Amino acid sequence: NAGVMQNPRHLVRRRGQEARLRCSPMKGHSHVYWYRQLPEEGLKFMVYLQKENIIDESGMPKERFSAEFPKEGPSILRIQQVVRGDSAAYFCASSPEQGQKTQYFGPGTRLLVL
Amino acid sequence: GESVGLHLPTLSVQEGDNSIINCAYSNSASDYFIWYKQESGKGPQFIIDIRSNMDKRQGQRVTVLLNKTVKHLSLQIAATQPGDSAVYFCAADNQAGTALIFGKGTTLSVSS
Repeated sequence: NAGVMQNPRHLVRRRGQEARLRCSPMKGHSHVYWYRQLPEEGLKFMVYLQKENIIDESGMPKERFSAEFPKEGPSILRIQQVVRGDSAAYFCASSPEQGQKTQYFGPGTRLLVL
Repeated sequence: GESVGLHLPTLSVQEGDNSIINCAYSNSASDYFIWYKQESGKGPQFIIDIRSNMDKRQGQRVTVLLNKTVKHLSLQIAATQPGDSAVYFCAADNQAGTALIFGKGTTLSVSS
């Protein structure tokens, strides 16, 4: 039973490029969450999605960041025109259904912006 | 705003000792609390969780205690082992129930 999968595990981008981070939830899970972690910090919530719907994006920066969870395929976190401050570890978590609050995390994508 | 904080950034114990990691939260409406273990370069790993209608829950070698009066929870690890060395995070659900709010983490170091 595969856990949450994220790819790539490491991503290097130059300033101004786009970064696309992918997340496949655990089998049977329809809820996906994205978090960002800076060094020596806890995780900060970014966005919560269900299939084809954004439920809560209160933690997403207003510009350059977007997320989707299409009917088919993985959830995508997209960062346009990356800046050095975007360098962080981005984690995806999934849960089975609303009301089931336990979130299971993937291994993360470490983004480095040069 | 809502916040979750840990009392000590680091904790060092000897192998075989019991470890206690403490956490405070600000939102009295939080209904759900969870502890994660994060090893270097990995994602957070679920340890144990508890809902607000309980004050204690036990797992294998771990116990979580919840004190809603003072908005405090703790993680107890019995007979700590070197493999328990990691960063431990507590988290609470937000008011909308749509996200987890994390504390900064306590680094547990276990020496043999």
